[in-house]
Amino acid sequence: DTGVSQDPRHKITKRGQNVTFRCDPISEHNRLYWYRQTLGQGPEFLTYFQNEAQLEKSRLLSDRFSAERPKGSFSTLEIQRTEQGDSAMYLCASSPRGRAGTGELFFGEGSRLTVL
Amino acid sequence: DQQVKQNSPSLSVQEGRISILNCDYTNSMFDYFLWYKKYPAEGPTFLISISSIKDKNEDGRFTVFLNKSAKHLSLHIVPSQPGDSAVYFCAAEGHNFNKFYFGSGTKLNVKP
Repeated sequence: DTGVSQDPRHKITKRGQNVTFRCDPISEHNRLYWYRQTLGQGPEFLTYFQNEAQLEKSRLLSDRFSAERPKGSFSTLEIQRTEQGDSAMYLCASSPRGRAGTGELFFGEGSRLTVL
Repeated sequence: DQQVKQNSPSLSVQEGRISILNCDYTNSMFDYFLWYKKYPAEGPTFLISISSIKDKNEDGRFTVFLNKSAKHLSLHIVPSQPGDSAVYFCAAEGHNFNKFYFGSGTKLNVKP
């Protein structure tokens, strides 16, 4: 399968714990995005990478959130000191071109976070 | 602020009839629009797109219409099939943006 893969698919954690999600994009895609989706809402932009450079971060991304994409391949999204409001589906997507508008985003199946 | 809006959270249609899903946007800088389809427990998958230089794009049973003056687009599915039952998201992107803005989705139920 050469699509976008995310791991883990579901994470249940207690408030205050740290969690990390991993995304493996489609190999030839140089753009990688993280979105967050809550119930009844559409995906909300969190951050994106052009190769290994993190070029934009949303105001939604508090100091407790950090994302990396070492070597421009896979990416990790870490949430420190989780809060119940962090419970959501975290979606990773990749895009093949310099401008996403020239093609669509290819989404992974998402990592669902539940904070108790 | 929500720059892309889908005001109908749900739509129910009989199999074989037309489904029309609507989307409005506020930012005139958007110049590329897409529709995504999402099944439960899966990520969104791309369905169809349209550039602002066009007012219609057709792909099989799916047609997207763009009305730039009204900042409105719609997705028509004809004929609707039960397998089309899913949540449909409208998304928009602009030349100087580096991300897609998504609507809140419309859940389509096609009844057999």
